[in-house]
Amino acid sequence: EAGVAQSPRYKIIEKRQSVAFWCNPISGHATLYWYQQILGQGPKLLIQFQNNGVVDDSQLPKDRFSAERLKGVDSTLKIQPAKLEDSAVYLCASSPGYGSRGTDTQYFGPGTRLTVL
Amino acid sequence: GNSVTQMEGPVTLSEEAFLTINCTYTATGYPSLFWYVQYPGEGLQLLLKATKADDKGSNKGFEATYRKETTSFHLEKGSVQVSDSAVYFCALTPQAGTALIFGKGTTLSVSS
Repeated sequence: EAGVAQSPRYKIIEKRQSVAFWCNPISGHATLYWYQQILGQGPKLLIQFQNNGVVDDSQLPKDRFSAERLKGVDSTLKIQPAKLEDSAVYLCASSPGYGSRGTDTQYFGPGTRLTVL
Repeated sequence: GNSVTQMEGPVTLSEEAFLTINCTYTATGYPSLFWYVQYPGEGLQLLLKATKADDKGSNKGFEATYRKETTSFHLEKGSVQVSDSAVYFCALTPQAGTALIFGKGTTLSVSS
């Protein structure tokens, strides 16, 4: 079974530029998450999708970040304009979806490391 | 609110030593508890989990027991190997289908 795919793996941009990240979850997984991991910290949720609907975006800086999940499969996360403090690893994860705790497990992609200069 | 606190690292051990990484949590209700591991250059991988009080999660020689009375989920391994060198994250989900809340991570370095 293929895992969660993300691209690009690395991105370097100047501040005030825009950037987009792509995620392809595990086939059949209804729930998709984007997390931000700043160096030396644990990942923090940015946004959660259930199929193509947003479940939780309370921690997404909506003035500069946006995300979509078209057709309930792939997802893109965009930052426009980027700030220095956006330098981090952006992780995508997927899970089978709501249900028993046995299906609660989230599977992570390799992440995209963003450096903002 | 919900939160996870884990011991600061780095933890440096010799091969075959006993490992404990402490993790405590704050949560309302009955969270599920997880340990994730991040090997150098790789993504986060689920190591083990427990979904209710007194459950023991285990994998690859690692164990952790869900202790509701002490709100803890400490990670243990009886004999570590060099290949266990990684960053370990304790995490919880407040309820099924919600996002993970992570601790800051603990770096483990094992030397031969």
